[in-house]
Amino acid sequence: QQQVKQSPQSLIVQKGGISIINCAYENTAFDYFPWYQQFPGKGPALLIAIRPDVSEKKEGRFTISFNKSAKQFSLHIMDSQPGDSATYFCAAHSGGSNYKLTFGKGTLLTVNP
Amino acid sequence: DAGITQSPRHKVTETGTPVTLRCHQTENHRYMYWYRQDPGHGLRLIHYSYGVKDTDKGEVSDGYSVSRSKTEDFLLTLESATSSQTSVYFCAIGTGVIETQYFGPGTRLLVL
Repeated sequence: QQQVKQSPQSLIVQKGGISIINCAYENTAFDYFPWYQQFPGKGPALLIAIRPDVSEKKEGRFTISFNKSAKQFSLHIMDSQPGDSATYFCAAHSGGSNYKLTFGKGTLLTVNP
Repeated sequence: DAGITQSPRHKVTETGTPVTLRCHQTENHRYMYWYRQDPGHGLRLIHYSYGVKDTDKGEVSDGYSVSRSKTEDFLLTLESATSSQTSVYFCAIGTGVIETQYFGPGTRLLVL
């Protein structure tokens, strides 16, 4: 049973545009929400993360927006570049001491030059 | 890749044969995880370890076993490989301080 629903499955954006990827969850025990970026042939790498006590976190061109009441969070990539073309995964940590993450199914982002 | 290596990086095997994948870390982290990645399914947790000889099942553990006899090594074994286990397998390590996991480069496994 998928506990983190991610959309869209794929996204095409023009260079300089804004890329938006959305995730939704049901488990209110989730307490940490990271985003991972994966390039072809590589392992996922942590991009940015947020805790539910804040509504927004920004790191450079990447911003997470978090809506606790709606149980939704999203990744915004401003001024998207061809080098941002990758697969993006949202994830959620369900609390407890074993630090298990539940991942969304991923979004393939293509930024056209 | 945060001091994580996986071996082999690519493997082709036949249905019914045993397969062992190795994850090795140089970070001395307590937590280690095995995921599989398949199109349309994202990353799914197979097994994880929270210390030497301490392991537990993830969401897709059927057909897999693991062992961790040393902090630095976490082995994933397919006792009798099936075509449905064709996938890309990722190992991850966790700091145990924050809920961040660092992933290895992956092993691409093809079961014929």
